[in-house]
Order: sequence, then structure tokens, then C-alpha cells
Amino acid sequence: DIQMTQSPSSLSASVGDRVTITCRASQGISNYLAWYQQKPGKVPKLLIYAASTLQSGVPSRFSGRGSGTDFTLTISSLQPEDVATYYCQKYNSAPYTFGQGTKLEIK
Amino acid sequence: EVQLLESGGGLVQPGGSLRLSCAASGFTFSSYAMSWVRQAPGKGLEWLSVISGSGGSTYYADSVKGRFTISRDNSKNTLYLQVNSLRAEDTAVYFCAKGPVTSIYYFDYWGQGTLVTVSS
Repeated sequence: DIQMTQSPSSLSASVGDRVTITCRASQGISNYLAWYQQKPGKVPKLLIYAASTLQSGVPSRFSGRGSGTDFTLTISSLQPEDVATYYCQKYNSAPYTFGQGTKLEIK
Repeated sequence: EVQLLESGGGLVQPGGSLRLSCAASGFTFSSYAMSWVRQAPGKGLEWLSVISGSGGSTYYADSVKGRFTISRDNSKNTLYLQVNSLRAEDTAVYFCAKGPVTSIYYFDYWGQGTLVTVSS
């Protein structure tokens, strides 16, 4: 099975910083990658699908890039409401595995 | 408005069984894939199983294959997960989630979850 590895596992940054989270697949998955945001005590929310397509209603400071095995989620200017854990998920074929998550905090 | 409402969780003894339900509304249920995802306390998301809109295709994580069964009743707009032979490590919040179309398996809407606790 293809493994999904996120880095870093946790991250602390200041408001206004540019933040990048990486997701690496152990084999190529084309662009079949989604990113989710889960705020503390809340339900996961879809941010990006097809590696780079922003879900409707998601702020434009979020962006995604990548194809094959290496993907990134970037927040161009970190806001206090972006404190959350972020997950990538592959959906090219079963199993539709999530990465282990990246916990983002404000410095 | 899309709504997903899980039910059926609770306290169960090791080796026991439960049937989780997810009542859907606000969209044409039969046109969309549906999935179950769980989250153990303080842990990350774990994908468990998915079913296509017609119910003709199902997939499972290795960790639950043979113990969990996903199904759907499109006439009742309801998704199910039969969970058998429960273990302590199955303790988690179980979410149902909706796919964007019938056979694409990322998830654009999530329910609030139902807690399953496996303990003697």
C-alpha cells in the first residue's frame, strides 16, 4: 500500500508568516490528493482537491501544489483562525489513506 | 444544505458489535460515494471504508477488513457501518463523509461523528 508522510508533524509560526506543509507519497499518485483542515474540537473541512484546486469558500491564502509523489500546502499569510491540524489524503486508489497530520500553532 | 447525522455509537464490550448509521439530507444521496473515517482520542484521521453511490463498489482499510461492513440504503438516504469483533483500539469517533460524486473518494462534507468506546 502507498504510505502518506507529512512533514513537519508540528509547526509554530507567527501571524503573517508564509507556512508550507509537505505531504509525500511512497509511490506516484498523479494529482489525486486532497488537503483537510481540522480545528480543535471540530469536524475536518476540505480545503483542496486534485492537489491544487481550492474548494469553494476556502480563503485564497491557501494553495496547493504538486504531482506524483511530492505535494505542498501553503498558507501565504498565516491568520490566527488557521490554528488547526492539517491532513493530506490520497484518493487515486484504495486504501484512501490520510497522512498523519501536521499541527499548526501560532508563535 | 447538506447534513450528515451519525448515530449508533456507545459503550460496548470487547468482542461486541454495533451498527452505526448516518442519515443524509440536502442532496441526492444515491449520486454520491459515502465513507467512514474514524479518529481515536488525540490521534489522526483513519480512513476505514467507502461505498459508491449505487453500492456496487466497496473498499476497506486492512485494519478493519473482515470485521466491518459498509452498506447503504438509498431509499432511506442512510449509510451504515456494521462493526463486529470490537477491540479496545477501535475506540474512536466515527465520522461519515460524503464524496463529491459517485466514485471519487475524497470528502467534501462530514458529519459530527458518533463515539464508540470499547471497554469492559
